[in-house]
Amino acid sequence: ILNVEQSPQSLHVQEGDSTNFTCSFPSSNFYALHWYRWETAKSPEALFVMTLNGDEKKKGRISATLNTKEGYSYLYIKGSQPEDSATYLCARTTGTASKLTFGTGTRLQVTL
Amino acid sequence: DTAVSQTPKYLVTQMGNDKSIKCEQNLGHDTMYWYKQDSKKFLKIMFSYNNKELIINETVPNRFSPKSPDKAHLNLHINSLELGDSAVYFCASSQDGSVAGGRDQETQYFGPGTRLLVL
Repeated sequence: ILNVEQSPQSLHVQEGDSTNFTCSFPSSNFYALHWYRWETAKSPEALFVMTLNGDEKKKGRISATLNTKEGYSYLYIKGSQPEDSATYLCARTTGTASKLTFGTGTRLQVTL
Repeated sequence: DTAVSQTPKYLVTQMGNDKSIKCEQNLGHDTMYWYKQDSKKFLKIMFSYNNKELIINETVPNRFSPKSPDKAHLNLHINSLELGDSAVYFCASSQDGSVAGGRDQETQYFGPGTRLLVL
């Protein structure tokens, strides 16, 4: 993995479904992994910062895990709601002046 | 209260013009950033300033010049605008952009974006 990659590119689920998406990143020179939520016509909002292998973070129905050795992070949403519809971005830093390298995002659409 | 604000929100201009986008943060943060969202919706870092000092300068044409009069402001001036400069430009700030600051302090807070259209 040379860059930060996210999959799937887009996802369409029904209200109440649980879902997850993946962020893959180069495991060398790892410093921190960030998740952001980006609603249409708004600006990205920070969800989590994770640093250690095995880290798990949770905010309400959203949680994330981190594997720095194999270079991936999962974001989980339990019981999706229409207000969860957004693009979810992950970004990696390598410890050099907080330069965030973003993935292209996973666009989630939750319908009733 | 707006934490990170940008002006203008929309900017439509002719090729060859010079324009500026302003950014201000009232969070007391030390570090500010400019990002460009390209046609594929990809966010790419352009510049970063920490306490008015340039710390990140990606391979951006030198027609783009950031200016930080104080640590609460980071303006982006663009000379001789080209069609390919059309994009959404986001400003962001973080408490501490240095490695010594700690990773939680890397969290970046974004402005609402400036939509630039060059005709």
